[in-house]
Amino acid sequence: QSALTQPASVSGSPGQSITISCTGTSNDVGYFNFVSWYQQHPGRPPKLLIYEVKNRPSGVSGRFSGSKSGNTASLTVSGLQAEDEADYYCSSYTNIATVIFGGGTKVTLL
Amino acid sequence: QVQVQESGPGLVKPSETLSLTCDVSDDSFNSHYWGWIRQPAGKGLEWIGRMYTRGTPAYNPSLQSRVTTSIDTAKNQFSLKLTSVTAADTAVYYCARVGEDGDGFDIWGPGTVITVSS
Repeated sequence: QSALTQPASVSGSPGQSITISCTGTSNDVGYFNFVSWYQQHPGRPPKLLIYEVKNRPSGVSGRFSGSKSGNTASLTVSGLQAEDEADYYCSSYTNIATVIFGGGTKVTLL
Repeated sequence: QVQVQESGPGLVKPSETLSLTCDVSDDSFNSHYWGWIRQPAGKGLEWIGRMYTRGTPAYNPSLQSRVTTSIDTAKNQFSLKLTSVTAADTAVYYCARVGEDGDGFDIWGPGTVITVSS
């Protein structure tokens, strides 16, 4: 299984919004509404931001939102803040009952 | 809140078998799916496999021939074995819990660093 496709990097100014895309196939992203997003700071384990395409776990800021259209899922970070500088990963359940991750996107503030 | 802790040998020689354990602090051990994920230094996340106390495990097709998992319900502990390791298996290995709705890893261990080298 090939990794989901994410842009290597995305940047934005404080207060702006950014969107990270995650492109898969009809066998994963397009097959289920089981897409999740993670934030990872250096030296730390990933933190779940979004599950089932658009749901936020308790305690996750409302500035993070998820969506999906066809084989592409997206994570939007609104009101960009310094602490949002991190790596972001998407993942999807697949039609063969496995999980696949995206290659990761580094978010930097301008 | 549930605590998750991975443990491993730190250093493994090429061609040998890597053995890892994941200790879970509470009864969510029995009611959730659990996963192993790894991350080579400076690289992305790779799903290794999924375990459940009452089900059949599932593995990444690219690793399936070398991976086995087991469960010790008396100890609230999962184990992972990866055979015939090479330098490409050097990574931080994480154990993580799948959330209530069956999607997303909502609780992660701190990870354990594994280096394959002679």
